[in-house]
Parts: sequence; structure tokens; C-alpha cells
Amino acid sequence: AQSVTQLDSQVPVFEEAPVELRCNYSSSVSVYLFWYVQYPNQGLQLLLKYLSGSTLVKGINGFEAEFNKSQTSFHLRKPSVHISDTAEYFCAVRQGGSEKLLFGKGTKLTVNP
Amino acid sequence: DGGITQSPKYLFRKEGQNVTLSCEQNLNHDAMYWYRQDPGQGLRLIYYSQIVNDFQKGDIAEGYSVSREKKESFPLTVTSAQKNPTAFYLCASSIVGTGSNQPQHFGDGTRLSIL
Repeated sequence: AQSVTQLDSQVPVFEEAPVELRCNYSSSVSVYLFWYVQYPNQGLQLLLKYLSGSTLVKGINGFEAEFNKSQTSFHLRKPSVHISDTAEYFCAVRQGGSEKLLFGKGTKLTVNP
Repeated sequence: DGGITQSPKYLFRKEGQNVTLSCEQNLNHDAMYWYRQDPGQGLRLIYYSQIVNDFQKGDIAEGYSVSREKKESFPLTVTSAQKNPTAFYLCASSIVGTGSNQPQHFGDGTRLSIL
């Protein structure tokens, strides 16, 4: 069965430090990968997506993610975080041919001054 | 501006009562989805619809019902059979087809609580 694992439920960092939020998935078929961000009491906003092509994907707000097929990972990175990046981040996977999106349980990023 | 509107933002349910959450989109998307979000659980799919007058159960459909009479509307009813309805409910929509590589767009959610 397909699954998405976000390895850290909470990640605290200091402002201007780099951050990596980890995501691993399991699937025997081709997948499309997404990262979403959720601010308190709001819906989800798309950060970036991997569909095909270059394995390094750039998104909004200075975030980027790298697709690693051999390790079935899609980790999210930002070289220097801001207080405003404090939010919950969700990794999601969709199998080719399916309209259903499978979400990880989320990682709460807290950026401290 | 195009988007997804969920209402109300907060909703309270009494024991034995059915309540309906509204979701409207003006993005001209064919597919619409309902998710339930609980702390530390991520998002779980309740129902989805790819075309008017058709919908499919997701992973946690028990105690919920939906209808899709219009392309832009996908209301969710939380019935009295749902014994633990307290959660944050999110509606989403997407374009169908093109290899299923289109992202889903989300509304701002409805928070449902038990009185």
C-alpha cells in the first residue's frame, strides 16, 4: 500500500538558520509529489510540486525540494528561515492515474528569534 | 478572484443533529474533495467527486454524506452517526485529467465542535 512518512513531527530552528523537512514515500508506480504549507486556522497552500524532469524543484517563499527516486524521498529545504515561516508543512503523494492525494501527518516548523 | 469558499468558519453540533458544511468553488474545476484534519493525523479523505452527480467514498466516509448537484458546489453533511465529529474540515478542488498531475486547491476550512 502507498504511504507517506514525515519523519519529524516538530522542528524548532532559529531565525536565519537552514532547515530540512524530511518526507519519504512508498509506491511501486510513478508518483507526483507535493509540499503544502498551512498557517494556523487556514487551508493548505501549495509550496511546490514535482511532476517530472529536474529532480530539484523550486517553490514559493524560497523553498526547494529534491526528488530522490532511489531513496524514495522528497525533502524540503530552505537555506535561511524567517519567523514568518512558522507553520505546519505537509508532504503529499499522488499515484499516476489516480485523483487521490495521500498526505503525511505533517511537520510543525517553529522559527525562533 | 477565483477560489474556494467554505462556510461557516466555525460550527457547533448538538448530540443527534446533522449539520451541513458548505463548499463552493469558482475555479471551474471538475474534481472536488473533502478532508478531515485532526491534530497530528494529517489530512484524511472523506469523499471525492470527479464529475457532477457522481462521488466516491474516501478512507473515512462512515458517518458522512455528500452531494454533487452542481459543478461548483460539494456540500458535506456530518450525520449523527459520526460519533466523533470534532475536527477541522477542508474542501479542495482540482482539474481532472492530464495524468493526474494537477495540484489540489484548498479552502480555508470549517472547524466543527460538539456542544
